[in-house]
Amino acid sequence: AQSVAQPEDQVNVAEGNPLTVKCTYSVSGNPYLFWYVQYPNRGLQFLLKYITGDNLVKGSYGFEAEFNKSQTSFHLKKPSALVSDSALYFCAVTLGYNNNDMRFGAGTRLTVKP
Amino acid sequence: SQTIHQWPATLVQPVGSPLSLECTVEGTSNPNLYWYRQAAGRGLQLLFYSVGIGQISSEVPQNLSASRPQDRQFILSSKKLLLSDSGFYLCAWSAQPVGAYEQYFGPGTRLTVT
Repeated sequence: AQSVAQPEDQVNVAEGNPLTVKCTYSVSGNPYLFWYVQYPNRGLQFLLKYITGDNLVKGSYGFEAEFNKSQTSFHLKKPSALVSDSALYFCAVTLGYNNNDMRFGAGTRLTVKP
Repeated sequence: SQTIHQWPATLVQPVGSPLSLECTVEGTSNPNLYWYRQAAGRGLQLLFYSVGIGQISSEVPQNLSASRPQDRQFILSSKKLLLSDSGFYLCAWSAQPVGAYEQYFGPGTRLTVT
């Protein structure tokens, strides 16, 4: 079965600095990887996904993520953090085009300080 | 464009009472539908998913049940709530097949069982 791990419960960065939220995955085949963001008392919002092709994926709100097969990672990045980026971030994985099982990580709380 | 609705937004119910949460999707047809529970603002637990009318897959044995009476309607129910049923319930949809498609989440229902 597939799974993802988000090794950091909390990430703190200063506004204007680059941010990284880490995600590693474990699957027995080729993964489809996703990032979602959740603001307080709201549902999750899709940010970006990696299916195939270019390892660097660009998404909403200036976020990007790099798929690294050798390190089994899919870290979320942004060159310059905003206070409004403060939220809970989830990495998720599915296995295969016809797979209905999406597994979410435990989430990482990002706090961007002014 | 597609829209997903959930209601109610907030619910306080006594232990042993019944539950009915409703989710509807607009602007798409034959979606995959999902119910998740999120405890303490953290990880997501997949409860049920449905690939079509009357087709329900349960991920976790519990006192909850789900039904899909119409293509774009997904209902989460319980005959007798437990204290442990408290949490934030999220409905989501995705295009089929889900493996390569992101999920879109509703605004959630905050359930408190007293």
